[in-house]
Amino acid sequence: AQSVAQPEDQVNVAEGNPLTVKCTYSVSGNPYLFWYVQYPNRGLQFLLKYITGDNLVKGSYGFEAEFNKSQTSFHLKKPSALVSDSALYFCAVTSAGKSTFGDGTTLTVKP
Amino acid sequence: NAGVTQTPKFQVLKTGQSMTLQCAQDMNHEYMSWYRQDPGMGLRLIHYSVGAGITDQGEVPNGYNVSRSTTEDFPLRLLSAAPSQTSVYFCASSYELPGVYEQYFGPGTRLTVT
Repeated sequence: AQSVAQPEDQVNVAEGNPLTVKCTYSVSGNPYLFWYVQYPNRGLQFLLKYITGDNLVKGSYGFEAEFNKSQTSFHLKKPSALVSDSALYFCAVTSAGKSTFGDGTTLTVKP
Repeated sequence: NAGVTQTPKFQVLKTGQSMTLQCAQDMNHEYMSWYRQDPGMGLRLIHYSVGAGITDQGEVPNGYNVSRSTTEDFPLRLLSAAPSQTSVYFCASSYELPGVYEQYFGPGTRLTVT
């Protein structure tokens, strides 16, 4: 069975500061890892994914994530947060058409 | 390409009613899946399919049926709606090749059961 943990329900950062949203996973075999963002009353918006290759993945809107196999982590990062980044962020591990999602982390960026 | 489409966008049902949520994709993806998202929570897998004619249960399958008679369509049937099924439902399609994985989500159906 595969699982995902997002240990922080809420992350608060000041605009302009770096942000990190944490994700750890458990899966047998090679993981396919995704980050999605969700704005209120909206669907899921794809940010980035790790399938294979370089451990540092760059995605949309300046976000990046680092795949760490030894720590089974896939933390989402951004060097300089914007107020407009405030949203709900989900990490997911996927295998053969089935995704397991974390419970989400609410990111609040204050001006 | 229209991507993944879901109908309806909103639905209100009375307890005990049945209905079908529609999901279609035009990308010839082999995998399709249904998720529900309850307030303040992540998505949970209801049912999934790895190809036409093949379906399997996910994490929360009770009260739902699916079928996959074509590659394009993957309808979700609520047999007898209950208030606990009030949720937002997302359909997804994906495909996999060596070193490649693409996944797309539909816009969601917001279902309220009274």
